[in-house]
Amino acid sequence: DQQVKQNSPSLSVQEGRISILNCDYTNSMFDYFLWYKKYPAEGPTFLISISSIKDKNEDGRFTVFLNKSAKHLSLHIVPSQPGDSAVYFCAASENGGQNFVFGPGTRLSVLP
Amino acid sequence: GAGVSQTPSNKVTEKGKYVELRCDPISGHTALYWYRQSLGQGPEFLIYFQGTGAADDSGLPNDRFFAVRPEGSVSTLKIQRTERGDSAVYLCASSYTGGETQYFGPGTRLLVL
Repeated sequence: DQQVKQNSPSLSVQEGRISILNCDYTNSMFDYFLWYKKYPAEGPTFLISISSIKDKNEDGRFTVFLNKSAKHLSLHIVPSQPGDSAVYFCAASENGGQNFVFGPGTRLSVLP
Repeated sequence: GAGVSQTPSNKVTEKGKYVELRCDPISGHTALYWYRQSLGQGPEFLIYFQGTGAADDSGLPNDRFFAVRPEGSVSTLKIQRTERGDSAVYLCASSYTGGETQYFGPGTRLLVL
């Protein structure tokens, strides 16, 4: 049973528009969440994180929103750029643990 | 500076053979992680080292899998009696002390025939 779900396997967005990537989780004990980006043949690269004491964290073009009651988080990228085209993974851990559970990923394509 | 490196980048082996996968973390990073990523899935946690000791090995799927980090730097993931289902990309990551950003290597793609 997947504890972290990313129900959209792929997403296409026009350059300059907003990209919204969604992630749902089932374990209410998760209290720390991260987003990673992955290009082909490379390891994942950390993008942004959020702890459960916050509902929003922003870093440049990237903003992560957390809705604890819905067990849902989302990553907003605005404006989207062609270089953002990659697979995006949501990951979660509980109680400050290092056992991170990853979602299956969403492939984002930003069209010029 | 140098990032996390993993060798080999690709490994093809036959069912039943033994393989070793190596990870060189970023210098000075005390925390080291191994993940396995199958096609179409996200990385799956295997084991976490803090220094030389395995702080959490709850993700190792069975006793055919073992990992060591004898000097608190380089780590080796060892898989005995490989099975076709072990075919995946094995990712290594490190972080400064644990609990912050993990830096991933490019992975080793293992194919068991």
